[in-house]
Amino acid sequence: KAGVTQTPRYLIKTRGQQVTLSCSPISGHRSVSWYQQTPGQGLQFLFEYFSETQRNKGNFPGRFSGRQFSNSRSEMNVSTLELGDSALYLCASSSPAGVNTGELFFGEGSRLTVL
Amino acid sequence: GQNIDQPTEMTATEGAIVQINCTYQTSGFNGLFWYQQHAGEAPTFLSYNVLDGLEEKGRFSSFLSRSKGYSYLLLKELQMKDSASYLCATNNNAGNMLTFGGGTRLMVKP
Repeated sequence: KAGVTQTPRYLIKTRGQQVTLSCSPISGHRSVSWYQQTPGQGLQFLFEYFSETQRNKGNFPGRFSGRQFSNSRSEMNVSTLELGDSALYLCASSSPAGVNTGELFFGEGSRLTVL
Repeated sequence: GQNIDQPTEMTATEGAIVQINCTYQTSGFNGLFWYQQHAGEAPTFLSYNVLDGLEEKGRFSSFLSRSKGYSYLLLKELQMKDSASYLCATNNNAGNMLTFGGGTRLMVKP
């Protein structure tokens, strides 16, 4: 069974640009969550999508947005990039049984560097 | 709001037992989780406690006291491969919106 797949794995952008990250959940998983991980702030929740609807949203500015498609694949977008957006962006999916338990399966992440 | 505290670093010896503590304050509670993260890798799920008591899973056990806002992860028969960061997290509502602590970096020495 394939795991959670995130693309791209690494990318470098400059301030002011925008970026789109993609996540394909484990087959059959309908909940997709996004987290930002930095050395200083640790893992922070961005948003969660379930059946194409945003179910939860963290405390990030509106520059951070996301969506989920009918096949459960998800994308997140960051516009007007700032240096502080440099981080590892992790996507996680959960099974129907674990959809409300927080048992998440994480992808390897997309490491974004903003110069 | 939510606040989760856990030690930043711990060191233990191969074959020994180590307990990683986690205290939390939340406005709601729907479960406590432990995740393991090796350097450069994705976090992996270890355990989930929603009721008070001890949950045992092989060499790893997790304990929860909701009244005290306290949990611990117990690792027995430590192996070198257990060197990793251990993340405590709470779920405070419906869905998968987890709040993570800063993580405890465990170093296992021979």
